[in-house]
Amino acid sequence: NAGVTQTPKFQVLKTGQSMTLQCAQDMNHEYMSWYRQDPGMGLRLIHYSVGAGITDQGEVPNGYNVSRSTTEDFPLRLLSAAPSQTSVYFCASTPGVSSYNEQFFGPGTRLTVL
Amino acid sequence: AQSVTQLDSHVSVSEGTPVLLRCNYSSSYSPSLFWYVQHPNKGLQLLLKYTSAATLVKGINGFEAEFKKSETSFHLTKPSAHMSDAAEYFCVVSPSGGYQKVTFGTGTKLQVIP
Repeated sequence: NAGVTQTPKFQVLKTGQSMTLQCAQDMNHEYMSWYRQDPGMGLRLIHYSVGAGITDQGEVPNGYNVSRSTTEDFPLRLLSAAPSQTSVYFCASTPGVSSYNEQFFGPGTRLTVL
Repeated sequence: AQSVTQLDSHVSVSEGTPVLLRCNYSSSYSPSLFWYVQHPNKGLQLLLKYTSAATLVKGINGFEAEFKKSETSFHLTKPSAHMSDAAEYFCVVSPSGGYQKVTFGTGTKLQVIP
């Protein structure tokens, strides 16, 4: 199993550009999430999905879109990049709805917006 | 509402000495509590979790944590630090019934001095 994979590992954008961060998991997990990690702030939830076709907003959703057409894939789209979106982005998956379940994280995408 | 506070942003210990990383939480419900570790430029990995069974929880790599309801604490300990323990550690609280409301602490960076 590859677990949770993310591409690209690094990306530099100019203000106003759009891009998609890719996330895939091969564990047949229902739940998938996107987080951003900023220094001194821990991880903050951007969007999450409880299954194919179902998504919802997290704590910091503005400027980001998601969709979930398959169980495996959960891409994150930046519509018009801003310097405030410079961050490290992590995708995570978990097998079910229980709060007891651990999350499995991808290796992250480091994004810089100039 | 829930929150989690990691009391130290940086902890420095000598190799072979004990490690104590402190975490306090608040939650309206009986929560699940987790500790994750993040090595430099890597994703997060689960160390251990508390899910209302035993209050003393043992995790990987010799780490353990004790859930103390009266003190609303879930401190992470290890008897003897190893150089490979140098990383950032996150305390996470998840209320019962809803993993999407997970809250991350701001992290504690552990430095191990040879």
